[in-house]
Amino acid sequence: KQEVTQIPAALSVPEGENLVLNCSFTDSAIYNLQWFRQDPGKGLTSLLLIQSSQREQTSGRLNASLDKSSGRSTLYIAASQPGDSATYLCAVPPGGGFQKLVFGTGTRLLVSP
Amino acid sequence: KAGVTQTPRYLIKTRGQQVTLSCSPISGHRSVSWYQQTPGQGLQFLFEYFSETQRNKGNFPGRFSGRQFSNSRSEMNVSTLELGDSALYLCASSSAGAGETQYFGPGTRLLVL
Repeated sequence: KQEVTQIPAALSVPEGENLVLNCSFTDSAIYNLQWFRQDPGKGLTSLLLIQSSQREQTSGRLNASLDKSSGRSTLYIAASQPGDSATYLCAVPPGGGFQKLVFGTGTRLLVSP
Repeated sequence: KAGVTQTPRYLIKTRGQQVTLSCSPISGHRSVSWYQQTPGQGLQFLFEYFSETQRNKGNFPGRFSGRQFSNSRSEMNVSTLELGDSALYLCASSSAGAGETQYFGPGTRLLVL
């Protein structure tokens, strides 16, 4: 059974810092891995999707890497801003699970001005 | 393109009642998935529909059911509501099969009293 863990559970940084969020999964037979952000009381916004054949994906100040063999992914946020404050979630579809996603517990990020 | 829409956004029900939630996917998307989010359990997969057929189902009791219409709009129904069903219910749509980015709606917040 696929299990996804995110560390740390919460993170507080001053504006301008670079930071790394971690995601671990137990079953390396994944099709892809997706990172989302969720603002309080809102739905999820897709940030990046990495296919299993890829090592990393970049979008603006965000860079996500994937190491299937070790069951890990990281989300790097450069030059953090207060608007980056949100909960960040990673999710993987279990093998053959099509659009069924298994989510991590999330990292709550607070960026202070 | 309009995003995923969910109605209603907020709902208050009492134990024993039933509720129907609606989700309209992004135009052209044929896959709709439903998730339940609670503080204790996080995000959990309920079911996925593709071309009016349930393709995947999570570990929820039979009180939770869903359907998809020919225009890809989806509804989920919860019968005999329990206090523990209080949650944010999110739906997500994608264009086709595995490997596609899922786009989430804003959610319906259900409170069961």
